[in-house]
Amino acid sequence: QQQVKQSPQSLIVQKGGIPIINCAYENTAFDYFPWYQQFPGKGPALLIAIRPDVSEKKEGRFTISFNKSAKQFSLHIMDSQPGDSATYFCAAKAAGNKLTFGGGTRVLVKP
Amino acid sequence: DTAVSQTPKYLVTQMGNDKSIKCEQNLGHDTMYWYKQDSKKFLKIMFSYNNKELIINETVPNRFSPKSPDKAHLNLHINSLELGDSAVYFCASSQDLNNNQPQHFGDGTRLSIL
Repeated sequence: QQQVKQSPQSLIVQKGGIPIINCAYENTAFDYFPWYQQFPGKGPALLIAIRPDVSEKKEGRFTISFNKSAKQFSLHIMDSQPGDSATYFCAAKAAGNKLTFGGGTRVLVKP
Repeated sequence: DTAVSQTPKYLVTQMGNDKSIKCEQNLGHDTMYWYKQDSKKFLKIMFSYNNKELIINETVPNRFSPKSPDKAHLNLHINSLELGDSAVYFCASSQDLNNNQPQHFGDGTRLSIL
């Protein structure tokens, strides 16, 4: 069973729009929630991360919102640019620095 | 300059063969990982090693055998390759197992089984 569920699978927005990607988890032992960005032919790269005692974190144009009671978190990309077109993965960390990834969201930002 | 490097980048081989993928990191990290990304982009951990010691083994078939000759290297050997092994395999490393250390990924090895 998938422990971290991510939606939508794909997203198309116009330049300047705000893609929103949602993730939900079940395991309350998860204690850290990173987001990774992956370009074609490359490995995932850490974008931004949040701890469950924080409700929001912002780094540049990327914002994570976290709802601990609902066991949900989301990524917002403000003022999106064509260069943001990539696949985004949410993840949840358990003991031993073990990451469980969501299924990924392919984001396309049209010029 | 590359932090986590994998070789080869592409590997095309016949079913039943044995192959190895090599991974090296120059970040001075203690912990290394292998992930499998399938055709639907789903990314799943296979193994992790900390200071050459196996930490995570995610019910991977025993045809897959990781080997860590030193902290900077984690190689993956696969015996008797099957069609379902076709995927992109990513190596990653982190400083250690503590304090939410970020994982740094290589660019992957695309394995295709004919």
